[in-house]
Amino acid sequence: AQSVSQHNHHVILSEAASLELGCNYSYGGTVNLFWYVQYPGQHLQLLLKYFSGDPLVKGIKGFEAEFIKSKFSFNLRKPSVQWSDTAEYFCAVNARGATNKLIFGTGTLLAVQP
Amino acid sequence: SQTIHQWPATLVQPVGSPLSLECTVEGTSNPNLYWYRQAAGRGLQLLFYSVGIGQISSEVPQNLSASRPQDRQFILSSKKLLLSDSGFYLCAWSAKGNQPQHFGDGTRLSIL
Repeated sequence: AQSVSQHNHHVILSEAASLELGCNYSYGGTVNLFWYVQYPGQHLQLLLKYFSGDPLVKGIKGFEAEFIKSKFSFNLRKPSVQWSDTAEYFCAVNARGATNKLIFGTGTLLAVQP
Repeated sequence: SQTIHQWPATLVQPVGSPLSLECTVEGTSNPNLYWYRQAAGRGLQLLFYSVGIGQISSEVPQNLSASRPQDRQFILSSKKLLLSDSGFYLCAWSAKGNQPQHFGDGTRLSIL
């Protein structure tokens, strides 16, 4: 069965620090990978996605993620975080197919201190 | 543009009462529809998905059911709520194929 692991449950950073959130998945076939973000009081929204091609994908607000197939990883990065990046971040994966079902990680709560 | 609406935003229900949460999508046709439950520290768990009217697949055995009476309407129901049904329920839609999912604002359900 597919699963997604996010090892950092709670991360606290100061503004301008660099960010890397880990995400590993288990699935033997071809997958699509996503990072979603949930800002306080807001709905879950797509941050970036990987379907194919360049394994380094860029998303909104300066975020990027790198798909490393050999490591089954899709880590999220940002060179310099801002206070407004405080949110919960979810990694998700789906096996390619008609149903498009997503398997989510447990989420990482990021708190950025000004 | 496409929008997704969920209601109510908050609901407090007694144990044993029925439940009906509604989700509608506008601006698209024949979407895939999904119901998730989000629990603190446990991420989002897929409960049901639907690829078309009347087509419902259940991902986990539970006290809830789902229905899709119209193309862009997805309903989450229960005949008798349990304490364990408390949580945050999210509806989502996606276009067919390998497309991202888009989420509603969610319903906070508290069972007393």
